Amino acid sequence: GQNIDQPTEMTATEGAIVQINCTYQTSGFNGLFWYQQHAGEAPTFLSYNVLDGLEEKGRFSSFLSRSKGYSYLLLKELQMKDSASYLCAVSLSYNTDKLIFGTGTRLQVFP
Amino acid sequence: ETGVTQTPRHLVMGMTNKKSLKCEQHLGHNAMYWYKQSAKKPLELMFVYSLEERVENNSVPSRFSPECPNSSHLFLHLHTLQPEDSALYLCASSHAWDSTDTQYFGPGTRLTVL
Repeated sequence: GQNIDQPTEMTATEGAIVQINCTYQTSGFNGLFWYQQHAGEAPTFLSYNVLDGLEEKGRFSSFLSRSKGYSYLLLKELQMKDSASYLCAVSLSYNTDKLIFGTGTRLQVFP
Repeated sequence: ETGVTQTPRHLVMGMTNKKSLKCEQHLGHNAMYWYKQSAKKPLELMFVYSLEERVENNSVPSRFSPECPNSSHLFLHLHTLQPEDSALYLCASSHAWDSTDTQYFGPGTRLTVL
């Protein structure tokens, strides 16, 4: 079976740094996506990691370790508008070509 | 209009009703998807269309019937739904049917089945 684990909820303070973890056990792996979804809105693309290591994109960075089945999304200088759900999704290749999503981590940023 | 649009945004229907959800993408993509998003559950892939042909059907009950008349439009026809079908239904598109391609999502239709 396919399994993706993320914490259900996290809280943080404006201006702080938060790390959202994602672990996966899947049959096949092409890469890992992070999406952001504000309440009542569409998920929007944040990052895609294929190789091990850290990829930085402004205030957001994403890390992948394929050998450990582990990724994290790092958000720096948190802003109120970062309050949203963050979805981890693994791109599969074994028998099927599709994304498997985690349940998402709901992040609340407080002033 | 750009991106992926969905109508209606909200829908309330009885179990005997027939309704349709519409999705339109203005990105020139060749693949389109229907997902179901329920509270505290992962996004569940329902259907995938690539170049207007259905390429994936994830054991979805027959009361959900997709239609893809062209590469820009995708419909989900609903009939005799159950209350447990209440959820957010998201449409997405990508350049090609390839799980490494970024998918662009519409805002979703919030469906409530009474």
